[in-house]
Amino acid sequence: DAGVTQSPTHLIKTRGQHVTLRCSPISGHKSVSWYQQVLGQGPQFIFQYYEKEERGRGNFPDRFSARQFPNYSSELNVNALLLGDSALYLCASSILGGPGELFFGEGSRLTVL
Amino acid sequence: AQRVTQPEKLLSVFKGAPVELKCNYSYSGSPELFWYVQYSRQRLQLLLRHISRESIKGFTADLNKGETSFHLKKPFAQEEDSAMYYCASPGGSNYKLTFGKGTLLTVNP
Repeated sequence: DAGVTQSPTHLIKTRGQHVTLRCSPISGHKSVSWYQQVLGQGPQFIFQYYEKEERGRGNFPDRFSARQFPNYSSELNVNALLLGDSALYLCASSILGGPGELFFGEGSRLTVL
Repeated sequence: AQRVTQPEKLLSVFKGAPVELKCNYSYSGSPELFWYVQYSRQRLQLLLRHISRESIKGFTADLNKGETSFHLKKPFAQEEDSAMYYCASPGGSNYKLTFGKGTLLTVNP
């Protein structure tokens, strides 16, 4: 079945660079959320978008930004990468914007050297 | 701020033994609570939510407001239950989930 898809699956960047991560939600889902998962921790909320509008933002610096497109796909952008940005970035979609059942992608593993 | 605490990082039981994964939350209002599971090489997925009061794969979870807990239980663990389990709650938010740090359950044969 066509679940949430994310790209790229793995990438390596150096400090100071910029990264763009992409997410396609399940067909019919209008909400996309982004979570960061550092090794040994649970997912931590970054952003939620619903109907192309930002509904919420977690405790992340302005280097992190996101947007949702008319087809409900989404991009997460991180500027001026730091070593501490190394993590698994998870995208999740849901039918509505509430914090109910989230359908997660497999994630994008970012390594910053 | 909303906190979700899973006190055990690792839990190891034998097949057929009862299992309980602990979860405590800090939200003072009417909580919504979820258990998510990640099996090896699979994506994170919803196991159950307290509002549905279902038993999924033999697992149940009861909300105890007095103890602010939402422990996940199964009377007879199976090897295929081995996975990482995360407790999560929106607290008062209507757009985000706060996750615990997770408990890695290993069911030994």
